[in-house]
Amino acid sequence: EAGVTQFPSHSVIEKGQTVTLRCDPISGHDNLYWYRRVMGKEIKFLLHFVKESKQDESGMPNNRFLAERTGGTYSTLKVQPAELEDSGVYFCASSPGLAGGPSYNEQFFGPGTRLTVL
Amino acid sequence: QKEVEQNSGPLSVPEGAIASLNCTYSDRGSQSFFWYRQYSGKSPELIMFIYSNGDKEDGRFTAQLNKASQYVSLLIRDSQPSDSATYLCAVNTGFQKLVFGTGTRLLVSP
Repeated sequence: EAGVTQFPSHSVIEKGQTVTLRCDPISGHDNLYWYRRVMGKEIKFLLHFVKESKQDESGMPNNRFLAERTGGTYSTLKVQPAELEDSGVYFCASSPGLAGGPSYNEQFFGPGTRLTVL
Repeated sequence: QKEVEQNSGPLSVPEGAIASLNCTYSDRGSQSFFWYRQYSGKSPELIMFIYSNGDKEDGRFTAQLNKASQYVSLLIRDSQPSDSATYLCAVNTGFQKLVFGTGTRLLVSP
């Protein structure tokens, strides 16, 4: 079974540019999460999709960040315009949801996208 | 006060010893607790989860939970150099999002 995949693995952009990160969750997982780790800090929650609906976006830093999950499959996270403080590693995770039984909330992480804003 | 606290380490243990990793959390309503292992530059890998007070064992790993003390720990028996990594404690407060600690770096020396 394929794990969570993310693209690109690295992105280097200049301040003011736009970047779009993509996440493909484990097949059949209804829940998709975005997290971010800024240098030296803990991994922090950004938002949570259940299928195509945003369940919780309390961690989104500001309106420069836009996440979508069209059709309830893959998700994109767009940062526009990027600022220096957006640099970090962006992780995507997925979990089965209620259909997964006792494992419903086990979140499996992708390899992350390392974003550097210059 | 951070929501989830871990000693950053490094915690150094010799090969074959027991490594004990600790985590405290502030939200008494927290419902489930996860331990992830992260090698440098890699993604967090789920090792164990625990929901109920007491111990849960899986191979060389034992998770311990004490909700009254708001404390969760991970014991690694017969530590191997390949166990050297950062161990992340994560807490689910009931809204499905995970709240992470900063992680404890474990070094197992041959």
